[in-house]
Amino acid sequence: AQKVTQAQTEISVVEKEDVTLDCVYETRDTTYYLFWYKQPPSGELVFLIRRNSFDEQNEISGRYSWNFQKSTSSFNFTITASQVVDSAVYFCALRAGGSYIPTFGRGTSLIVHP
Amino acid sequence: NAGVTQTPKFRVLKTGQSMTLLCAQDMNHEYMYWYRQDPGMGLRLIHYSVGEGTTAKGEVPDGYNVSRLKKQNFLLGLESAAPSQTSVYFCASSYMTGQSEAFFGQGTRLTVV
Repeated sequence: AQKVTQAQTEISVVEKEDVTLDCVYETRDTTYYLFWYKQPPSGELVFLIRRNSFDEQNEISGRYSWNFQKSTSSFNFTITASQVVDSAVYFCALRAGGSYIPTFGRGTSLIVHP
Repeated sequence: NAGVTQTPKFRVLKTGQSMTLLCAQDMNHEYMYWYRQDPGMGLRLIHYSVGEGTTAKGEVPDGYNVSRLKKQNFLLGLESAAPSQTSVYFCASSYMTGQSEAFFGQGTRLTVV
C-alpha cells in the first residue's frame, strides 16, 4: 500500500521568511513518482513539480526548491523569501504500484502574513 | 482547451435526494478519478477508472456510484444523499503512466441538509 504523510497541518510565517513543507512517503515499489500541488484560496489544484524515484537531484525553480531523499523517504518543499501570494494549501502526492493511482497527503496549509 | 470540466459547481441537496456530478476531460486521458476534500482530511479517493467501461473503488466509496460509458466522461452518483456527504468534490484525470500529473476540475461544493 502507498501512503503519504504531511505532518504539518498548518504553518504560519511572516513575509520574507523561508519555510519548508515536509512530505514523507511509503511504498514498496522501486519505481514511483512524487508530486507537489498547490491549492490557493480560489480552490483549484495546480501542479507544481514531479520527481521519479531514480532521480534524486534537487530542483530549484525561482523561490521554490525541492529536496528528494530516498534514504529518508522524504520529498520536502522549501519556499525562500515567502510572499503573501504563497498562502495556500500544499499537497504532496505519490504514484506507485501497478496501476499508479495517485495517493495524496492531507495537505499543509501555509499562511504568509504581510 | 478546456481540460477537466465539472458540473455543477455548487449544489444544495436535501437528505435522501439523489444527484449526479458530471466530469468531462478533453485530453484523451485513460485514467479518471473522483476525490472528496474535507477539512483536515486532504483528498480522499472515492472511485476511479483506468479506462472506458471500467471502474474501481477507492478509499471512501460507500454511498457513491460511478460510471464511465465514454472515455471522456466520468459520472459520480449519490443515490440517497446524507449530511456526511457534504464536501468539495474534485474530478481529475491523467495519463496511465506514473509520471503523468493529475489534472483537476474546479471542484463541486455540495451541501446536504
